[in-house]
Amino acid sequence: DVVMTQSPLSLPVTLGQPASISCRSSQSLVHSDGNTYLSWFQQRPGQSPRRLIYRVSNRDSGAPDRFSGSGSGTDFTLKISRVEAEDVGVYYCMQGTHWPPLTFGGGTKVEIK
Amino acid sequence: EVQLLESGGDLVQPGGSLRLSCATSGFNFYNRAMSWVRQAPGKGLEWVSGISSSGADTNYADSVKGRFTISRDNSKNILFLQMNGLRVDDTATYYCAKQIVPSLSGRGDFEEWGQGTLVIVSS
Repeated sequence: DVVMTQSPLSLPVTLGQPASISCRSSQSLVHSDGNTYLSWFQQRPGQSPRRLIYRVSNRDSGAPDRFSGSGSGTDFTLKISRVEAEDVGVYYCMQGTHWPPLTFGGGTKVEIK
Repeated sequence: EVQLLESGGDLVQPGGSLRLSCATSGFNFYNRAMSWVRQAPGKGLEWVSGISSSGADTNYADSVKGRFTISRDNSKNILFLQMNGLRVDDTATYYCAKQIVPSLSGRGDFEEWGQGTLVIVSS
């Protein structure tokens, strides 16, 4: 199984400041079709997850443009350019290249300082 | 608008059974693979099971293999999860999720999630 490792576990951020979350996979996530199936999900308190980024760097409609994804192979990053209060929650990366099973990172909790 | 509405969660004793449903609307259900993902209280996300658009192919996490069965009714746009032999560590909120392609071969991703249904396994 592909292991997804996120860091940090907790990320206190000042409003208006940038934030960055790392996600590493135990093997390359490049699919035989040439795409890399690495997504980022946001889970606000008391809500279900929603996808923000798919295939590493494509932002979902409805996801604010302050969110961006980057990376390749086994190393990926989610960045928030300027954190807002509504960004509080837990962020998960997930790989969909080598499955079953689909595997998630352990989550990064973003909170306001 | 895509909607996924789970139901069927309940309090059940260890060893018991439960059937979850996910009623869908707003998209061509027959053309999408679907999955169940769960989240134990205060914990992270765990993929549980997936089913292809036709229902012909299914797969399961090792933790539920042999106890859970995923199925779908494309005439009614509903996804199911039959859970037998429930254990305390199956306690979780169960989400249904819409995948991006019809098949289970690679390209795993979730475009939409339901709001979840809570299953509590306790004596």
